[in-house]
Amino acid sequence: GAVVSQHPSRVICKSGTSVKIECRSLDFQATTMFWYRQFPKQSLMLMATSNEGSKATYEQGVEKDKFLINHASLTLSTLTVTSAHPEDSSFYICSARTGRNTEAFFGQGTRLTVV
Amino acid sequence: DAKTTQPNSMESNEEEPVHLPCNHSTISGTDYIHWYRQLPSQGPEYVIHGLTSNVNNRMASLAIAEDRKSSTLILHRATLRDAAVYYCILRRNTGANSKLTFGKGITLSVRP
Repeated sequence: GAVVSQHPSRVICKSGTSVKIECRSLDFQATTMFWYRQFPKQSLMLMATSNEGSKATYEQGVEKDKFLINHASLTLSTLTVTSAHPEDSSFYICSARTGRNTEAFFGQGTRLTVV
Repeated sequence: DAKTTQPNSMESNEEEPVHLPCNHSTISGTDYIHWYRQLPSQGPEYVIHGLTSNVNNRMASLAIAEDRKSSTLILHRATLRDAAVYYCILRRNTGANSKLTFGKGITLSVRP
């Protein structure tokens, strides 16, 4: 199957700083990418949907000024957590699809810890 | 979005078949039934999906009820590496942005 790579896999940052997470589709062009967040022992919660070259669509309750998403090319989307706080500590996962009726491919996730 | 209902957990023995049920009584005609699984500390992994007919692939089989209100994911011979959370998700076949909404899933434990 197709490969989606996330980087970094693990990051620790100080409270108040910003962290950027990259999501790359390695062997296909992703028309749509999704960003999820998962707290311990909970399910994945969709944060936003992004299409290449256009603004991301955020789910209700997700602050778009805090979680900046850029989808500048068909193989790269980035999520920047701005002014991170300990409550932003979570497992962030990206997903990509090639088209409308295809399965989604997920990155391996990024464990963010804000201290 | 139409909702799915799964048991919280299930245990199985290694090398035995596993049947993971999913109820989706409010499914609409354009909803595909998707199954993903998530191993600990990893992103989800696609398992299988279908619309009306039963489906088979190298990982599993998907049996879909005739009225489509329920489905069963079948692992033919469970291995220890199949221990994971399995999510049954309905995805509407409309638009490029049709999203996957994850429920709680079912936690499968495999006994050696």
